[in-house]
Amino acid sequence: EDKVVQSPLSLVVHEGDTVTLNCSYEVTNFRSLLWYKQEKKAPTFLFMLTSSGIEKKSGRLSSILDKKELFSILNITATQTGDSAVYLCAVYHGSGNTGKLIFGQGTTLQVKP
Amino acid sequence: KAGVTQTPRYLIKTRGQQVTLSCSPISGHRSVSWYQQTPGQGLQFLFEYFSETQRNKGNFPGRFSGRQFSNSRSEMNVSTLELGDSALYLCASSLVASSLTDTQYFGPGTRLTVL
Repeated sequence: EDKVVQSPLSLVVHEGDTVTLNCSYEVTNFRSLLWYKQEKKAPTFLFMLTSSGIEKKSGRLSSILDKKELFSILNITATQTGDSAVYLCAVYHGSGNTGKLIFGQGTTLQVKP
Repeated sequence: KAGVTQTPRYLIKTRGQQVTLSCSPISGHRSVSWYQQTPGQGLQFLFEYFSETQRNKGNFPGRFSGRQFSNSRSEMNVSTLELGDSALYLCASSLVASSLTDTQYFGPGTRLTVL
């Protein structure tokens, strides 16, 4: 069965800490992996990863994909209270009209002042 | 540039009824995807439309259907509503052919409650 598993499910840190969120997957015909941030509204796209070993960065956020070990990590450095959110990982697999997007359960991050 | 808009924002229906939700993508975007989000199941992909054609489909029963118009606006229909259909329905648009491999911009969602 195709699945995406995120860990931890929740995390509490203090401002300035660095956090690493994990996403592992088991799917057929992997195409890409996506990270989203969801606060009390719709998800916001963060990264899309298709190639193994290439890091994507945006400010304090970065992500990398390991297609051999079937996982991705999302790093947030120097966390701020505004980083508090649910972080969702999703994997697009398949091809053409059989392509599907599977989401993980999400990691709830709380950053305390 | 206006973002993705969804109407209505909130909706209350009873079991057995049917409902139609609307999504207007960002101007110039041609791909629209629909998602269902519930506390128990999380975020689940429903389907994706591009140029009025369904390109990808998730694992939902046939009661869930959609369509896209020539102006890229999309509608999602759920027939014979069940209590379990209560959820936040999100749509996302993107510029290129397959929104599942490109930056997607989400709308605010429609909160559907089935009584």
